[in-house]
Amino acid sequence: DGGITQSPKYLFRKEGQNVTLSCEQNLNHDAMYWYRQDPGQGLRLIYYSQIVNDFQKGDIAEGYSVSREKKESFPLTVTSAQKNPTAFYLCASSMVPVGNQPQHFGDGTRLSIL
Amino acid sequence: GENVEQHPSTLSVQEGDSAVIKCTYSDSASNYFPWYKQELGKGPQLIIDIRSNVGEKKDQRIAVTLNKTAKHFSLHITETQPEDSAVYFCLGGGADGLTFGKGTHLIIQP
Repeated sequence: DGGITQSPKYLFRKEGQNVTLSCEQNLNHDAMYWYRQDPGQGLRLIYYSQIVNDFQKGDIAEGYSVSREKKESFPLTVTSAQKNPTAFYLCASSMVPVGNQPQHFGDGTRLSIL
Repeated sequence: GENVEQHPSTLSVQEGDSAVIKCTYSDSASNYFPWYKQELGKGPQLIIDIRSNVGEKKDQRIAVTLNKTAKHFSLHITETQPEDSAVYFCLGGGADGLTFGKGTHLIIQP
């Protein structure tokens, strides 16, 4: 089955630690995205990538970093600079052009601070 | 960036009745208008989308209508069923087309 896989499903972080969330897709999509969702809120864009080795900041990129070394993978690092990291993180992928194609989502990673 | 407003934030309807959710966008260059459904603890799933060259699209009990002049598009669900209970999101257009509405929690009353 083609799809998009996020891991882990739940993640706990201590204050001052960086953590990396995994996102893998086997849909052969060029574009990948990271969103943050807070309770009762919509999805806010953190970063997106349209092609390997290239990515753009979204609306709330501060305190986050990404890499796109392979087409299938788009990991997100939540750094210690992100002061309020507790949230539900969603990864998605789509064909290009960005914003003009359906997005396929993973089932998310819930990050909590210990 | 693109401004996307979605209303209402909560909608409660009797099972079997219809539900309508509306999104308004600001960028007249927008040309792709999808709707997503999110169930608890899951990622959103595309349920229907429309492009700017048509005014309406239907898929069984679900339809989307687009008014480009007024810059709004709406999701219509007829003959609502318990499994329609979820949060629904629209996605706005614009240069990157990646601004979601804040969501509508649809509650189906038995």
